[in-house]
Amino acid sequence: GAGVSQSPRYKVAKRGQDVALRCDPISGHVSLFWYQQALGQGPEFLTYFQNEAQLDKSGLPSDRFFAERPEGSVSTLKIQRTQQEDSAVYLCASSLVRTPSYEQYFGPGTRLTVT
Amino acid sequence: SQQGEEDPQALSIQEGENATMNCSYKTSINNLQWYRQNSGRGLVHLILIRSNEREKHSGRLRVTLDTSKKSSSLLITASRAADTASYFCATDHQGAQKLVFGQGTRLTINP
Repeated sequence: GAGVSQSPRYKVAKRGQDVALRCDPISGHVSLFWYQQALGQGPEFLTYFQNEAQLDKSGLPSDRFFAERPEGSVSTLKIQRTQQEDSAVYLCASSLVRTPSYEQYFGPGTRLTVT
Repeated sequence: SQQGEEDPQALSIQEGENATMNCSYKTSINNLQWYRQNSGRGLVHLILIRSNEREKHSGRLRVTLDTSKKSSSLLITASRAADTASYFCATDHQGAQKLVFGQGTRLTINP
């Protein structure tokens, strides 16, 4: 079946531009996670949704970062006024169950480069 | 900031040899998972071990967990070139709704 998809796969933005990154989770998956992965590092948690409810946004680095999942399926991560330090791969993952204690299925990521 | 620490950061071995990588963490966990990431790709789940388990096997993979030492190890036996990837441990901690990843071990299998 279809896995988690993300679009675009690559995004180049000029500093100060707004960007929107999309995640299509596996159909029926309740939980959705966003991670930021810097080069050579492990993924770092950004935010977590259970259906349409954003239950944890403690990892969002600043108020320029905003995520939504209005109908409990597709999610969008928006970054306003991008800065060079926002350059990273943004990974989305989904899970069938309501806790992180089970396997998460990851998308291929969106590589964001801010110039 | 990341809670898990993995060592070694990089490991290069010959095909057919065994590869062992280690992960340490700081606070009590519910479970620990291992993921693999091929270059430029997303992460793939390998194995999950619960806090009340000490060892788990899946094919050529063997994972151990020592909660008293807050550490885990991943052993890949009879390595293949296709095992070349980065390997990450991830923990979910009591009271938290997220996975915390280590910095990863870059494994290279030389043919």
